[in-house]
Amino acid sequence: AQSVTQLDSQVPVFEEAPVELRCNYSSSVSVYLFWYVQYPNQGLQLLLKYLSGSTLVESINGFEAEFNKSQTSFHLRKPSVHISDTAEYFCAVSVQGSGGSNYKLTFGKGTLLTVNP
Amino acid sequence: DTEVTQTPKHLVMGMTNKKSLKCEQHMGHRAMYWYKQKAKKPPELMFVYSYEKLSINESVPSRFSPECPNSSLLNLHLHALQPEDSALYLCASSQDIAQLGETQYFGPGTRLLVL
Repeated sequence: AQSVTQLDSQVPVFEEAPVELRCNYSSSVSVYLFWYVQYPNQGLQLLLKYLSGSTLVESINGFEAEFNKSQTSFHLRKPSVHISDTAEYFCAVSVQGSGGSNYKLTFGKGTLLTVNP
Repeated sequence: DTEVTQTPKHLVMGMTNKKSLKCEQHMGHRAMYWYKQKAKKPPELMFVYSYEKLSINESVPSRFSPECPNSSLLNLHLHALQPEDSALYLCASSQDIAQLGETQYFGPGTRLLVL
């Protein structure tokens, strides 16, 4: 079975500072990796995902994540954060399920990013 | 349009009430999901519908009853809930549950309080 570990439950940073949110996964088969963001009192929004190809994936709002198979990691980074980036960030993994059903998203526990002025 | 809508936004109900949560998407997606999210926790999968048929029930108590009237709508009927059922209920949809790496699109959720 697969699992996702987000080591940091909370990450406080100052505005314009760089940030890295860590995500490690365990799976014995090929995985597909996602980062979702949840702003206060809202649902989840897809930030970026890795399916195949280039190991570096980028989002439209300046975040990027790198898939590292040897370290089983998919850390999320941003070189300069804004106050509006304050949110809960969830790393998730999906693997090929039995019978061809690939619906199962396994989420990490989430990391609360708080950007202070 | 990548929007999933959910109504109501907030719901307060007593333990003897019957209420329903509604979810709608117009992206032509054939898979729809219900998740439950407690505070400070990740979402937990409850049900999966594929082509309007219930595919997955993650051992959810029968006081939660899902329904998929058509390919765009998903309901969650609630009856005789307990206070511990208070949570944010999220609906999601995806193109198809059988495609590898499918993106699930989430609605804003219904915040439920059971008194």
